[in-house]
Amino acid sequence: RKEVEQDPGPFNVPEGATVAFNCTYSNSASQSFFWYRQDCRKEPKLLMSVYSSGNEDGRFTAQLNRASQYISLLIRDSKLSDSATYLCVVNLPYGGSQGNLIFGKGTKLSVKP
Amino acid sequence: SAVISQKPSRDICQRGTSLTIQCQVDSQVTMMFWYRQQPGQSLTLIATANQGSEATYESGFVIDKFPISRPNLTFSTLTVSNMSPEDSSIYLCSVKTVDAYEQYFGPGTRLTVT
Repeated sequence: RKEVEQDPGPFNVPEGATVAFNCTYSNSASQSFFWYRQDCRKEPKLLMSVYSSGNEDGRFTAQLNRASQYISLLIRDSKLSDSATYLCVVNLPYGGSQGNLIFGKGTKLSVKP
Repeated sequence: SAVISQKPSRDICQRGTSLTIQCQVDSQVTMMFWYRQQPGQSLTLIATANQGSEATYESGFVIDKFPISRPNLTFSTLTVSNMSPEDSSIYLCSVKTVDAYEQYFGPGTRLTVT
């Protein structure tokens, strides 16, 4: 089983749509969880951290279910500028590789007019 | 978040040569990392750059191929040695501060080996 798995995508949605991405992780000792956004030929940029209680930032809502080892990202009222690849990222517990981020392969979102 | 710069932004190199990539951060950070993103793939951690000591390499990466330096808290280099076309990739520097879980990435160096 891969360490971080995401919906394969691509997701093609119209402007204004609500879209949800799902992600599962295999290491139950994982401590921190993030969603990054990566535009074509650019570096990943932190979109939001994911907290156990769930968190919201404008049109974006992230949820974490530790029991199911499941993370989600919901985007409401999609904009053209939301088109990007969304990476689910998990931080392994501190050990030999402190701060090691494990990246999912990403889900590509394309928002159409 | 810290401002991270990398040099060069891109390069085309011949097989058998080496390239050194620089990463500069505008503030002191506790941890610096080097990642690789091969075409169509997600990011893979190469190593953690430790200040004043040898880097900590991930499985599948060795010091002879990817020597790393970190002389201070704001600067690190990654060398890709004896390059082959399989080394064609984007190499990204990433930083983290002690009081945060989040990591931030530099703009990357796009390397093509011919």
